[in-house]
Amino acid sequence: EVQLLESGGGLVQPGGSLRLSCAASGFTFSNYAMTWVRQAPGKGLEWVSGFSSSGGTTYYADSVKGRFTVSRDNSKNTVYLQMNSLRAEDTAVYYCAKVVGAGGRPSDAFDIWGQGTVVTVSS
Amino acid sequence: SYELTQPLSMSVALGQTARITCGGNNIGSKNVHWYQQRAGQAPVLVIYRDSNRPSGIPERFSGSNSGNTATLTISGAQAGDEADYYCQVWDSSTGVFGGGTKLTVL
Repeated sequence: EVQLLESGGGLVQPGGSLRLSCAASGFTFSNYAMTWVRQAPGKGLEWVSGFSSSGGTTYYADSVKGRFTVSRDNSKNTVYLQMNSLRAEDTAVYYCAKVVGAGGRPSDAFDIWGQGTVVTVSS
Repeated sequence: SYELTQPLSMSVALGQTARITCGGNNIGSKNVHWYQQRAGQAPVLVIYRDSNRPSGIPERFSGSNSGNTATLTISGAQAGDEADYYCQVWDSSTGVFGGGTKLTVL
């Protein structure tokens, strides 16, 4: 079964840091680009970052550029989202998702989603 | 930055056809993807690259894209189709989501 499982969410103070993980199973992880999407409470979906199958190409939303960094470890079938200088407006459910197609490019649809991990930024 | 416009909400009678629109400047030149998000659940891809259905998605879900409007059509709406629907495109190496449409099945 194709599955994504996020972890690492929690409560953090403004200005703090957090690292999210997303463990993949059930598919050849190294062949697929991945993405992070978030959803603030009661709000719509917001794309955060996309990155290629090798991790060599990364894209970020303007709202997180310079503060968030994505990476992947294809030997562990895991992607990471390092979040620094966190703000109240970063409070959201964070989803990782697999990009459709084995081309490795991040700029396509997201066909498999995890259940999300909750990040709360508050003092 | 590129913007996608969706109606905030719409309703459809059980068994009737719902058409959810997604507006954007020359969106017809882009690949549009659609996601369904039921309450309390993660999103599910229902249409990708304008009109393709992933495996497991019923045939009553279809999509089209032309000019400045993309449309998700749900034929014979069922109670289980009640959800939020989001369109999504890529523009200048950035993922963009529409604001979402809450579909109510009456």
